[in-house]
Amino acid sequence: DVKVTQSSRYLVKRTGEKVFLECVQDMDHENMFWYRQDPGLGLRLIYFSYDVKMKEKGDIPEGYSVSREKKERFSLILESASTNQTSMYLCASNGQFNQPQHFGDGTRLSIL
Amino acid sequence: RKEVEQDPGPFNVPEGATVAFNCTYSNSASQSFFWYRQDCRKEPKLLMSVYSSGNEDGRFTAQLNRASQYISLLIRDSKLSDSATYLCVVNRRQLTFGSGTQLTVLP
Repeated sequence: DVKVTQSSRYLVKRTGEKVFLECVQDMDHENMFWYRQDPGLGLRLIYFSYDVKMKEKGDIPEGYSVSREKKERFSLILESASTNQTSMYLCASNGQFNQPQHFGDGTRLSIL
Repeated sequence: RKEVEQDPGPFNVPEGATVAFNCTYSNSASQSFFWYRQDCRKEPKLLMSVYSSGNEDGRFTAQLNRASQYISLLIRDSKLSDSATYLCVVNRRQLTFGSGTQLTVLP
């Protein structure tokens, strides 16, 4: 079974802090994704990566950056957290783009 | 216009009922299609892929109409455990999610 692990289930940070969300997958998947999910807006893609050190912007990249130094790990960085970044963050991975994605448990991030 | 549109519901049905969800997508270049299920405060989980010929998995049947750009999910003999939000998902190079249809199966 595919395992996608996110480092924290719940996280509370303050405005202006630099926040790191970590995601690890154990299936040697090429592609990894970061989404946020908000009520009424559904899942929106922030960034994705199709190889080590390769990344592409998704639909809502502003205020975020990512890092993929190793194939199994994909980090989402909030450079200077703001209250409108309070959300549920979901990491996913797949082996090929036309395959379904497997999700981690999610991180509920609150920015105060 | 949203790329993937679903009726948000909620659908409240009695146990044993048959319920159908519909979804339309706007990009004809979409290549693969899925239904995901998401329980409250949990991550989305793949329910089933959707194939052009239609496919069935137990009580669940998925249909795809490429000409009309329309996807459907039929649930027969609903169980209490089917209560969840069902997400229609369309894939080109990345997944695009509908906002989800909420289903509550009542005893």
